[in-house]
Amino acid sequence: NAGVMQNPRHLVRRRGQEARLRCSPMKGHSHVYWYRQLPEEGLKFMVYLQKENIIDESGMPKERFSAEFPKEGPSILRIQQVVRGDSAAYFCASSRVDYVTDTQYFGPGTRLTVL
Amino acid sequence: AQTVTQSQPEMSVQEAETVTLSCTYDTSENNYYLFWYKQPPSRQMILVIRQEAYKQQNATENRFSVNFQKAAKSFSLKISDSQLGDTAMYFCAFMVYNQGGKLIFGQGTELSVKP
Repeated sequence: NAGVMQNPRHLVRRRGQEARLRCSPMKGHSHVYWYRQLPEEGLKFMVYLQKENIIDESGMPKERFSAEFPKEGPSILRIQQVVRGDSAAYFCASSRVDYVTDTQYFGPGTRLTVL
Repeated sequence: AQTVTQSQPEMSVQEAETVTLSCTYDTSENNYYLFWYKQPPSRQMILVIRQEAYKQQNATENRFSVNFQKAAKSFSLKISDSQLGDTAMYFCAFMVYNQGGKLIFGQGTELSVKP
């Protein structure tokens, strides 16, 4: 059973460009979570999605960041007009049911570098 | 505010010995879950152990066990018979039952197992 897949593993963007990060949850998982890890820090929650719904986006910056989890295909975290402060590792996690009854399993992360 | 504190930024242990990593947390909620995640140099986040706050019995997974002290809001991780492959960053995290699947992480403890 394949784990959570994230691509790309490494992404380099220049300031002002857009970054698209993809996450394919584990088979049978319908809940996706995005976290950001700044250098030398722990992971910080960004957003929690179910298929076609955003459940909790309390950790998302108000501007430039958006996330979706369509009925078909991977979840996408989109960062518009990237700035150097967006450089971080972005992790996706998924769970089979809801967070109460199942653990979140993490992908390998996407390391975003903004030049 | 809900916080997780790991007071040991770095620790080292000799192979085959036992080491304990500390974690304290702060919440006014009564129903929550606690986790230890491991992040090796590959940066993949791997679940080590999970504890439900309503359970008095401490969770155990092979060489990994926890000491959960609910009144003190303490959740330490003990690694017995340390192996070189245990070298990693270890993150303590908790999740409140009714707050949308948001994992709150500590800053991490970098553990080095020496031969």
